[in-house]
Order: sequence, then structure tokens, then C-alpha cells
Amino acid sequence: KAGVTQTPRYLIKTRGQQVTLSCSPISGHRSVSWYQQTPGQGLQFLFEYFSETQRNKGNFPGRFSGRQFSNSRSEMNVSTLELGDSALYLCASSSGGAGTDTQYFGPGTRLTVL
Amino acid sequence: ILNVEQSPQSLHVQEGDSTNFTCSFPSSNFYALHWYRWETAKSPEALFVMTLNGDEKKKGRISATLNTKEGYSYLYIKGSQPEDSATYLCASENNNAGNMLTFGGGTRLMVKP
Repeated sequence: KAGVTQTPRYLIKTRGQQVTLSCSPISGHRSVSWYQQTPGQGLQFLFEYFSETQRNKGNFPGRFSGRQFSNSRSEMNVSTLELGDSALYLCASSSGGAGTDTQYFGPGTRLTVL
Repeated sequence: ILNVEQSPQSLHVQEGDSTNFTCSFPSSNFYALHWYRWETAKSPEALFVMTLNGDEKKKGRISATLNTKEGYSYLYIKGSQPEDSATYLCASENNNAGNMLTFGGGTRLMVKP
């Protein structure tokens, strides 16, 4: 069974641009969560999608948005990039979406904003 | 705002030593506690999901305990090996309406041969 995949793995953008990151969950998984990892803040929850609906949202500005498609693949978009958005973005998938389910992480997308 | 704390931040041990780390989390609205191992340049790997007070879980040389009343969990590694070198993360789930993990800062373990 293939694991969680994320594309692209590395990305360099400039301030003010926008970016879209993609996450393909494990086959059969319906929940996809997104996390941001920075050296100073550790791993922080962005949002979770379940059956194409945003079910939970972390404390991030509206520039961060996402969506989920009918095949459970998810995209995350960041508009008007700022230097502080430079981070590793991880997605995780789980089967039923309950808090007791194991979440399986992808390798991440390393975003650098210049 | 939930605070999940892990200690120590880093740990150096010799091969063969046994070690343990601590994760403290808010006990209010507790739902689940997750442990992950994160090796450099790899994806975080799930170790355990624990929900009940007094839970003990084991996977090979690694085990974990959970105390939901006082809000802490211990992770133990018996007979550390160099391949155990990684960052160990715990995360608290305090929301029974889906997935919304709050992570601690991690404990970085380095095992010297």
C-alpha cells in the first residue's frame, strides 16, 4: 500500500506570490490534515479535511486555505507569501478521521520564501 | 491554547543504555495521546495512540504509559541502539470531532555506538 505522497518536495517562491501544495493520502483514507513546521514553533496544526469538508481549523490567517477533492486528495494554498511562511509543510492522512486514529505523515514540502 | 511540553529537549546516551522521556499535556477534554518518531529526512512515523488512563503500549524495545488524570505520558526505550537516534514527538488530541493534534517540541535522542 503506497504511503502519503506530497508534491512538490521543494519550492522556492518570492514574497507576494502564491503557492499550492498537494497531498495524496493513503488509499481509502478520508481525512487529510495539514501541519506547518518551523524551527521556532514546532509542528502546528493548519486544518483538517474530511469528505471534502473542512472539519477543523488551526490558528492561521486567512491567507492559508485548502480543499479536498472527491478522491480525498487535498491541496493547500498560501496567498501573498511572507518570509515567515518559509517552513516544512506536512500532511497526514487517517482512515475514519476520529482523534484516536493513527495519522500517517507524508515526507513534506519544504517551502522557501525569498 | 493547549500546551504540550516535552522533556528533555535533547538527550545523548550510549548504546545499550535505557532511557525515558516525558510528555505533559492538558488533562481537560483529553481524547488521545500520540507518539511519533521522526528521523532526519524521513516522515514522522507513528508509534502509539493511547486513550485510556493507565494505558501501556509496547513496540519492540519501545514502550509508553499514559496518565490522563495528571496529564503526562512516558516513553521508554530499552537498550538504546544507534538506529533509535531520532526526534520523538508527542501530540495531544483534545477534540473528539476529528483530527487536530497539538504537538510538543520533541525530544531529540542521540545514541552513540
